[in-house]
Amino acid sequence: DGGITQSPKYLFRKEGQNVTLSCEQNLNHDAMYWYRQDPGQGLRLIYYSQIVNDFQKGDIAEGYSVSREKKESFPLTVTSAQKNPTAFYLCASAKEAKQPQHFGDGTRLSIL
Amino acid sequence: GENVEQHPSTLSVQEGDSAVIKCTYSDSASNYFPWYKQELGKRPQLIIDIRSNVGEKKDQRIAVTLNKTAKHFSLHITETQPEDSAVYFCAAVGFQKLVFGTGTRLLVSP
Repeated sequence: DGGITQSPKYLFRKEGQNVTLSCEQNLNHDAMYWYRQDPGQGLRLIYYSQIVNDFQKGDIAEGYSVSREKKESFPLTVTSAQKNPTAFYLCASAKEAKQPQHFGDGTRLSIL
Repeated sequence: GENVEQHPSTLSVQEGDSAVIKCTYSDSASNYFPWYKQELGKRPQLIIDIRSNVGEKKDQRIAVTLNKTAKHFSLHITETQPEDSAVYFCAAVGFQKLVFGTGTRLLVSP
């Protein structure tokens, strides 16, 4: 069954710690995206990648980093520079920019 | 860049009524407009989309209309049911990426 898998479902970060959120897809999609959603808010774009080994900053990239070494994988690192990381993080993929995006189940990140 | 505005932010209807959510966009080059439904704590799911070469698209109780001249598009849900209660997001494709509206919380009361 094809789809997008995000892990873990819940994650806790300590002060000064970097944490990495996993996103894997087996849909053979070229484009992948990371969004942040705060309670009662919309989706804000953190980073996106149109192709392997290339990625672009979104609207709120500060304090985050990504890599795209494989087509299937687009991990997001929340660094200690992100002072307010508590949010629901959603990963999505699409065949290309003007095609429907498919979302994973999300990772809920909290501060310890 | 693209900017998408969505109204209303909340919408309460009685079961069986119709619901309409409206969005406007700024980039006249945008040509793909999806709508997503997100239930509490779940992933957004695509419910319908429209491309700029058509003015209307229907799928059972859901329809989307697009007015390219006015740069606005709308979601219409007829015969609403309690299970339609969720947050709905419109979006428009800007340069290489989707830009989402801020969402409409729809509450359908039995």
